[in-house]
Amino acid sequence: NAGVTQTPKFQVLKTGQSMTLQCAQDMNHEYMSWYRQDPGMGLRLIHYSVGAGITDQGEVPNGYNVSRSTTEDFPLRLLSAAPSQTSVYFCASSRDWFSGNTIYFGEGSWLTVV
Amino acid sequence: GQQLNQSPQSMFIQEGEDVSMNCTSSSIFNTWLWYKQDPGEGPVLLIALYKAGELTSNGRLTAQFGITRKDSFLNISASIPSDVGIYFCAGLGGATNKLIFGTGTLLAVQP
Repeated sequence: NAGVTQTPKFQVLKTGQSMTLQCAQDMNHEYMSWYRQDPGMGLRLIHYSVGAGITDQGEVPNGYNVSRSTTEDFPLRLLSAAPSQTSVYFCASSRDWFSGNTIYFGEGSWLTVV
Repeated sequence: GQQLNQSPQSMFIQEGEDVSMNCTSSSIFNTWLWYKQDPGEGPVLLIALYKAGELTSNGRLTAQFGITRKDSFLNISASIPSDVGIYFCAGLGGATNKLIFGTGTLLAVQP
């Protein structure tokens, strides 16, 4: 009963460091996405994927890279961390194209950039 | 970017009280959704609405899809301590045809 699994749960980075947030789902969903959650801003879409080998930018893609080599995995890479990237990151997967009612979220990754 | 205006930002109520929150947009949406986020967890879907004017219940929760398709409302009756969390509205459709989230309503319930 894993659903969407994100690692790590917590991470502290220094400005300029790079890191990868891992996301895996075991529901054979085609669609996966990454959101960031900031106080008073709700969830904002960073990048998304409609299937293995296909990715596209969301609302706030700058400073992040993604790839989708398998259906199960959708890692999010921070190339050179900045304090503005301090946030909570959520990975999500869904069966249908952004249908909302089939979207499952991971438990979140708390990232602090100092 | 496109955002939904959600109000109130926070609510501090006594157990047993009813709660109302709403979400408005300048864009028309085809679907409205309400999620709840427990502390330290990801959002979980509560109610989905698909037609203008639709009123849907899930236990003590009732949500409505506004007639103009630019707003939605969520009511919680007889609140209990486990209702604590952040409630998000989300709209699907609009200019981007992607899921757009509201800014969230933090609910605290005092026993």
